[in-house]
Amino acid sequence: GQQLNQSPQSMFIQEGEDVSMNCTSSSIFNTWLWYKQDPGEGPVLLIALYKAGELTSNGRLTAQFGITRKDSFLNISASIPSDVGIYFCAVNTGGFKTIFGAGTRLFVKA
Amino acid sequence: DADVTQTPRNRITKTGKRIMLECSQTKGHDRMYWYRQDPGLGLRLIYYSFDVKDINKGEISDGYSVSRQAQAKFSLSLESAIPNQTALYFCATSDGGGATIQETQYFGPGTRLLVL
Repeated sequence: GQQLNQSPQSMFIQEGEDVSMNCTSSSIFNTWLWYKQDPGEGPVLLIALYKAGELTSNGRLTAQFGITRKDSFLNISASIPSDVGIYFCAVNTGGFKTIFGAGTRLFVKA
Repeated sequence: DADVTQTPRNRITKTGKRIMLECSQTKGHDRMYWYRQDPGLGLRLIYYSFDVKDINKGEISDGYSVSRQAQAKFSLSLESAIPNQTALYFCATSDGGGATIQETQYFGPGTRLLVL
């Protein structure tokens, strides 16, 4: 079936550092989504990308929709302790279902 | 108050027992979903429902059943729980988006299930 490959699986960084994670697929998708899951909570949508090549920011977060429509990147600048959590990429399939990557677990050391 | 609520938040049960996880939403959305989350596997879709009379199997429906009692309620049942159903379960809702807007899913806080 369709699969998203998300990397890295986990990251351990120092507060203040920038973070980059990405997601790739062998299939083309028309939208890419990035969710964050705080510890003990459900995922929350951070950024939605609708056009190939689109670059969108949400505060310290920036995400890009790859020009090939097969990948996306999420960057976090100047990380802070509350950035800790699991970040998921996701896409919506033609059947109005969302499929998720395996997640990138981020740890931030103060 | 939370828009999407799940009960119970935590549950320990024994192999072979029947268990029901409940989800309620106040967002007025027609679409509801059940996912399970396992370490390293992300979120996998179990069942989804686009309205009260619509139920669809997801990626991993074996061993599970669902009931859409009302627009606001969608419950997940494990008829005979087994240890590999130990996981974190999430309910989600969405309004389906529009012609040009990608739908956004809103997740509940999760139910942590341990099957012994």
